[in-house]
Amino acid sequence: GAVVSQHPSRVICKSGTSVKIECRSLDFQATTMFWYRQFPKKSLMLMATSNEGSKATYEQGVEKDKFLINHASLTLSTLTVTSAHPEDSSFYICSAPQRGGSNEQFFGPGTRLTVL
Amino acid sequence: GQQVMQIPQYQHVQEGEDFTTYCNSSTTLSNIQWYKQRPGGHPVFLIQLVKSGEVKKQKRLTFQFGEAKKNSSLHITATQTTDVGTYFCAGQETSGSRLTFGEGTQLTVNP
Repeated sequence: GAVVSQHPSRVICKSGTSVKIECRSLDFQATTMFWYRQFPKKSLMLMATSNEGSKATYEQGVEKDKFLINHASLTLSTLTVTSAHPEDSSFYICSAPQRGGSNEQFFGPGTRLTVL
Repeated sequence: GQQVMQIPQYQHVQEGEDFTTYCNSSTTLSNIQWYKQRPGGHPVFLIQLVKSGEVKKQKRLTFQFGEAKKNSSLHITATQTTDVGTYFCAGQETSGSRLTFGEGTQLTVNP
C-alpha cells in the first residue's frame, strides 16, 4: 500500500519555541492531507485539512495561528506548532488519501511532541 | 456536527474468545471504515463498507454495515494475542470528505 512518512518521530522542546512536523507521501501524490491529534488512550481528533496550493481548513476550536499548516507540494504538508506550551504535548498524526483511489486513509507513523 | 460513538471502550478477553465492537453515527454515512492501531503505532486501514447491509469478512474478522448506514460492527472470532490493539471505526458523510473517528475499543487478549 501507499506510504506516508512523518518527521521527526519524537521531539522535545522548551516552552515558547516552535516545532515543525513534516508529513510526506512517498509513492503517491496527495492534494489533501489531514492532521490529527491523539491524546493517550483517546481517539484521533481532526485538527485541520491541508490543501495543496490553498489555505488549510481548520476544525472548530483549533487555532490557525498556533498550528500553522503549509501544503507546498503534492507530496509534502507541514504542521508548525508555534510558541509551544506543555498543553500542546501530544501525538500528532497525518494522513492522506491516495489520489484517484478509494477513501482509504494512509497514516504516517506519528510525531510525539513533548513540551517542557 | 456529526458524531460517531463506539462501544465498548475497553474489552478484555481470554485467547480463543470472541470479540465485538459496535459503532453508531449520528448521521447517515456514505461509507464507514475500520482501522486498527497497535500499542505505540499508528492506525492501519482494515476495510471500508459502502453498501447498506453490507457484510465483509477477512479471515476471523467480520464487518457489518447497518441497513440505515448509520451503524456498524466488527466481530473477531476466536481471538489471538496478535489481535491486541485499539479498533477504530471512522465514518464519512460523503465520499472523500473528512473522516470522523469513533472513540475506539481497546482490546486486550490474555493468553
